[in-house]
Amino acid sequence: KAGVTQTPRYLIKTRGQQVTLSCSPISGHRSVSWYQQTPGQGLQFLFEYFSETQRNKGNFPGRFSGRQFSNSRSEMNVSTLELGDSALYLCASSSRTSGGMGSDTQYFGPGTRLTVL
Amino acid sequence: KNEVEQSPQNLTAQEGEFITINCSYSVGISALHWLQQHPGGGIVSLFMLSSGKKKHGRLIATINIQEKHSSLHITASHPRDSAVYICAVPNTGNQFYFGTGTSLTVIP
Repeated sequence: KAGVTQTPRYLIKTRGQQVTLSCSPISGHRSVSWYQQTPGQGLQFLFEYFSETQRNKGNFPGRFSGRQFSNSRSEMNVSTLELGDSALYLCASSSRTSGGMGSDTQYFGPGTRLTVL
Repeated sequence: KNEVEQSPQNLTAQEGEFITINCSYSVGISALHWLQQHPGGGIVSLFMLSSGKKKHGRLIATINIQEKHSSLHITASHPRDSAVYICAVPNTGNQFYFGTGTSLTVIP
């Protein structure tokens, strides 16, 4: 099976712009989670989607949003970009359908490195 | 307050040494994950465990639920083990918390 793919891999934006990142999970996986990784804060959980519904959400402002399509592909959007949004954005998919979050192995994509100037 | 604490932050070892990385957490959990991140960013899930011990090749992970502590051991370390190892804890409130990572360098 193909792994988790993320596009684009690299992105440069300026403050105030918005950005959309895409994640295609492993075939058959319906759970997709998004994470932000920065040198200062490390890895932080953004949100999880399952069957087109957001199931869990981390402590990020409303500028960070996402959605999931019927084919389980997911997009993450950040509006009104700030310098501090520069980070590696990772998505992960899992085959979990029930149970608490993280109750199944997470398969990570390569990430999208976003730079905000 | 950090929900997940890892130690050490940095670790340098000679090839062949036995390595231990520790993770302590303060939240109720369903399982604990050990992740490996190589330079360039890619993350691989090494283990997911909720009790006892798991082994995969030269890697061993243990967890003590009562003490809220987990360890990752690498036997006969090799330079290709050089990476950042991250402990991740999904708590029962459906939030995912991560340790700050342990940067391991294995010298030939």
